[in-house]
Amino acid sequence: AQKITQTQPGMFVQEKEAVTLDCTYDTSDQSYGLFWYKQPSSGEMIFLIYQGSYDEQNATEGRYSLNFQKARKSANLVISASQLGDSAMYFCERRSGNTGKLIFGQGTTLQVKP
Amino acid sequence: DTAVSQTPKYLVTQMGNDKSIKCEQNLGHDTMYWYKQDSKKFLKIMFSYNNKELIINETVPNRFSPKSPDKAHLNLHINSLELGDSAVYFCASSQDGGQGPEAFFGQGTRLTVV
Repeated sequence: AQKITQTQPGMFVQEKEAVTLDCTYDTSDQSYGLFWYKQPSSGEMIFLIYQGSYDEQNATEGRYSLNFQKARKSANLVISASQLGDSAMYFCERRSGNTGKLIFGQGTTLQVKP
Repeated sequence: DTAVSQTPKYLVTQMGNDKSIKCEQNLGHDTMYWYKQDSKKFLKIMFSYNNKELIINETVPNRFSPKSPDKAHLNLHINSLELGDSAVYFCASSQDGGQGPEAFFGQGTRLTVV
């Protein structure tokens, strides 16, 4: 079965430092999208960044960037200059461009230390 | 002006009851989703509706039935509630294309079955 894996259940980072959250996926699709969402302790789901499988450049959105390595099937999220408000759970999602089917990773809890 | 709104935010009910969770989006999106997040924070897609047609129906019990009266609404009806149905249920919507494929989430409904 196709799956998506976030190998880090929990991560710590010092404020103002950069952190990388890992995400690897398994797919036979040629066309797919990769997403990262943030879920703070308040519970809402917030979209952060998107990468299409045909995009040649890594996606960037402010302090967020996606290190997309297609051959390795990885889509790691890089957060630069961490802030206390970045403390949250982060989910990686893959969506098939063919079937529309989507699947989430199990999430990574990030804690930013002052 | 909430983009995706779901009601109620909290729902406590007894086993065996039937309940509904409502979801509305004012973004003009074509696709709406229901997700379940369990106590371990695992997120799983339950249903996806595109232009009022069910396009993904993951293996959920048939006690769960999505109902879409129009493109802006996707309600979730649950029959004969069981203890294991306790979770947070998220509604979301998205539209592929120029407006971006990311999903916008409602605030979640925390269902507790006692």
